[in-house]
Amino acid sequence: DVKVTQSSRYLVKRTGEKVFLECVQDMDHENMFWYRQDPGLGLRLIYFSYDVKMKEKGDIPEGYSVSREKKERFSLILESASTNQTSMYLCASSRRGDRGFFGPGTRLTVL
Amino acid sequence: AQRVTQPEKLLSVFKGAPVELKCNYSYSGSPELFWYVQYSRQRLQLLLRHISRESIKGFTADLNKGETSFHLKKPFAQEEDSAMYYCALRGSGYSTLTFGKGTMLLVSP
Repeated sequence: DVKVTQSSRYLVKRTGEKVFLECVQDMDHENMFWYRQDPGLGLRLIYFSYDVKMKEKGDIPEGYSVSREKKERFSLILESASTNQTSMYLCASSRRGDRGFFGPGTRLTVL
Repeated sequence: AQRVTQPEKLLSVFKGAPVELKCNYSYSGSPELFWYVQYSRQRLQLLLRHISRESIKGFTADLNKGETSFHLKKPFAQEEDSAMYYCALRGSGYSTLTFGKGTMLLVSP
């Protein structure tokens, strides 16, 4: 069974801090994604990666960056966290053309 | 541009009643449509995809290209169906999913 894990379930940070969210998948998937999930807004794509060291902006990349140095790991970075980045962050992975598998989510609160 | 619209934020029904969660999409090519479900305190998971043409947990969804819809239906709702449901679209040749805003389904006893 595919397993997508995220480093933290809950995270509390202060405004201006640099924040790292880590995601690891164990099924050798080419594609990895970061979404944020907000009530009333659904899931919005932040960034995705279709291969190691490759990245593409999603719909809302502002204020975020990503890193994919290894195939199994995809990191989301908030260079300087702000209160409007308080949200649930979901990581997902997939093979090309296949369904997506989601991680459990990280609930980030920025004070 | 591709867009997914779920017009209802909340759908509340009684156990045993029929359920229809609406999903309309906008896409110029041939899309692939999905329904994802998130139960309380669980991760988002795939419920069904239109190319599979299968019934999962009693739910079905038919892609209607003329009406650009992919409504999710179940003839008799159960309390355990209470969850957040997201419709999603993947354009041909793309890897990313575009999600709707979600519909919360509440099934009361």
